[in-house]
Amino acid sequence: EAQVTQNPRYLITVTGKKLTVTCSQNMNHEYMSWYRQDPGLGLRQIYYSMNVEVTDKGDVPEGYKVSRKEKRNFPLILESPSPNQTSLYFCASSLGTPGEHNEKLFFGSGTQLSVL
Amino acid sequence: GENVGLHLPTLSVQEGDNSIINCAYSNSASDYFIWYKQESGKGPQFIIDIRSNMDKRQGQRVTVLLNKTVKHLSLQIAATQPGDSAVYFCAENNAGNMLTFGGGTRLMVKP
Repeated sequence: EAQVTQNPRYLITVTGKKLTVTCSQNMNHEYMSWYRQDPGLGLRQIYYSMNVEVTDKGDVPEGYKVSRKEKRNFPLILESPSPNQTSLYFCASSLGTPGEHNEKLFFGSGTQLSVL
Repeated sequence: GENVGLHLPTLSVQEGDNSIINCAYSNSASDYFIWYKQESGKGPQFIIDIRSNMDKRQGQRVTVLLNKTVKHLSLQIAATQPGDSAVYFCAENNAGNMLTFGGGTRLMVKP
């Protein structure tokens, strides 16, 4: 089944403790992206990747890192999490750039992160 | 992953009625628009899209209307069903490689 898989689904951590949220897609998509979702703010893009070893900042990249060593994986790294990073995080992927040739973005099920 | 509804505009409709969800976008240069549906505990799912060279596009029970003059996008759902209850987001492509999402509207369908 074609899907975007992110783990964990729920995560509670403490300030300053490094964490990684994994994301994997099995559709051979070139484009992958991370979003955070906060009440009233919709989805805001953190980082995106056009292909292996190519990553770019989105609208809210501060406090986050990503890597794209393989096409299928796009982990989100919080080196020193802070309470303002408590949010619902979504990974997404598409064959090409969203909007180009009408490429559709497929989303994972989300990771609810709480930083105490 | 619950969407917090307290800050979301909410549209409440009777089952069987038509629903219209509106969205104002920000960038007149945006050339591609999408509607997503997000059910409770799930990630957003693609519903329908439209390019800026069109003003209307129809899918199964859904229609998207684009008014570029006033930068307005709407999603019409015909014969709304309980399964349509969700949060709906519009998104615009205005920077080539990124989508910008609106804040979302919660649709509640009353049986």
